Amino acid sequence: DAGVTQSPTHLIKTRGQQVTLRCSPKSGHDTVSWYQQALGQGPQFIFQYYEEEERQRGNFPDRFSGHQFPNYSSELNVNALLLGDSALYLCASSLGDRSYEQYFGPGTRLTVT
Amino acid sequence: DQQVKQNSPSLSVQEGRISILNCDYTNSMFDYFLWYKKYPAEGPTFLISISSIKDKNEDGRFTVFLNKSAKHLSLHIVPSQPGDSAVYFCVNAGNNRKLIWGLGTSLAVNP
Repeated sequence: DAGVTQSPTHLIKTRGQQVTLRCSPKSGHDTVSWYQQALGQGPQFIFQYYEEEERQRGNFPDRFSGHQFPNYSSELNVNALLLGDSALYLCASSLGDRSYEQYFGPGTRLTVT
Repeated sequence: DQQVKQNSPSLSVQEGRISILNCDYTNSMFDYFLWYKKYPAEGPTFLISISSIKDKNEDGRFTVFLNKSAKHLSLHIVPSQPGDSAVYFCVNAGNNRKLIWGLGTSLAVNP
């Protein structure tokens, strides 16, 4: 039973560029949430996708956007990268009403130079 | 402004002893509380949770206590094992199911 997978594991980008991060949820899960974790901080909620729609959003600018596909996998897109976007990006999956208990992937480490 | 506060960034405990990790919160609308554990280079893993209608939940060596009047919860690990060494996050959730995370406490259990 595959857990949550994320790709790529590491990424280096330049300021102003755009990036796409990918996530496949745990088998049987239909909800995907994305988090940003800066060094020394707890994860900060970016947004959540369910039934291919953004259901909730944290305090992140419109440069952060996402998508969920019919197979429940998801993408996180960040445009016009800033140095401050350097962080670990975590994807978590859950099953509908049990969304309090989320299963996390290993994350994608994004470095913006 | 941190809604979920873990005031101890680190904790060191001897193997076999009790580990107590503390968490304070400010939002009385939170109705569900969780603890996640994170090893280096891995995503957080769910450990234990408690609903606001309860004051204690136990799962094996792990027990979470909730004191709503003090807006305080704690995680007890007994007996502590070296494999418990990790960063522990206190997480609160309201009825919108959005998770609010603390900064984490790094636990080191020494053999």
